[in-house]
Amino acid sequence: ETGVTQTPRHLVMGMTNKKSLKCEQHLGHNAMYWYKQSAKKPLELMFVYSLEERVENNSVPSRFSPECPNSSHLFLHLHTLQPEDSALYLCASSQDRGYSYEQFFGPGTRLTVL
Amino acid sequence: AQSVAQPEDQVNVAEGNPLTVKCTYSVSGNPYLFWYVQYPNRGLQFLLKYITGDNLVKGSYGFEAEFNKSQTSFHLKKPSALVSDSALYFCAVRALSSGSARQLTFGSGTQLTVLP
Repeated sequence: ETGVTQTPRHLVMGMTNKKSLKCEQHLGHNAMYWYKQSAKKPLELMFVYSLEERVENNSVPSRFSPECPNSSHLFLHLHTLQPEDSALYLCASSQDRGYSYEQFFGPGTRLTVL
Repeated sequence: AQSVAQPEDQVNVAEGNPLTVKCTYSVSGNPYLFWYVQYPNRGLQFLLKYITGDNLVKGSYGFEAEFNKSQTSFHLKKPSALVSDSALYFCAVRALSSGSARQLTFGSGTQLTVLP
């Protein structure tokens, strides 16, 4: 978990709020990811950025908006969320070359939507 | 499409006994296979991977996994379980030749409980 940091660790928001999740990786990686982890469900890949360009968007509702200003930082902007969006949001990074494809995860942000 | 199955939601084992957490996969071509562990209120932590070579892969904290191509399995094992091994374990796969080069597909997880 060291090497990828996420803030805040916990967030409670109403359905009309706007908030942002932040992720920072200190590993020199060139790809970053957002995942959603809900109870009793497999991890859901939301977005992938490679070299700051979004390369995957897995049918995520528009109320989630990612931003990757540079290879070390990743944001997830949230607005008008629904209670079913309550989950653990995980950020990960990887170095996509050679055989080093394992992803390194941050501790996650526990989001509760009221 | 690639997929991962972890057939057991829960595995209980006594401390000191060997443990096995099962994983089977489906992928086009040769697979990259991974195991991750998640402790409460933490992110996923990388344990080990299989890319190529020896079918028995050794990883962190005394864990190992055996790649079996004919059975499309990659079971996680440890000879002697510790109470501190109690956590949620995820298996993941990606195709070696995947055009969607960065996507890992995760299993649904297996909760391992080691009883003292």
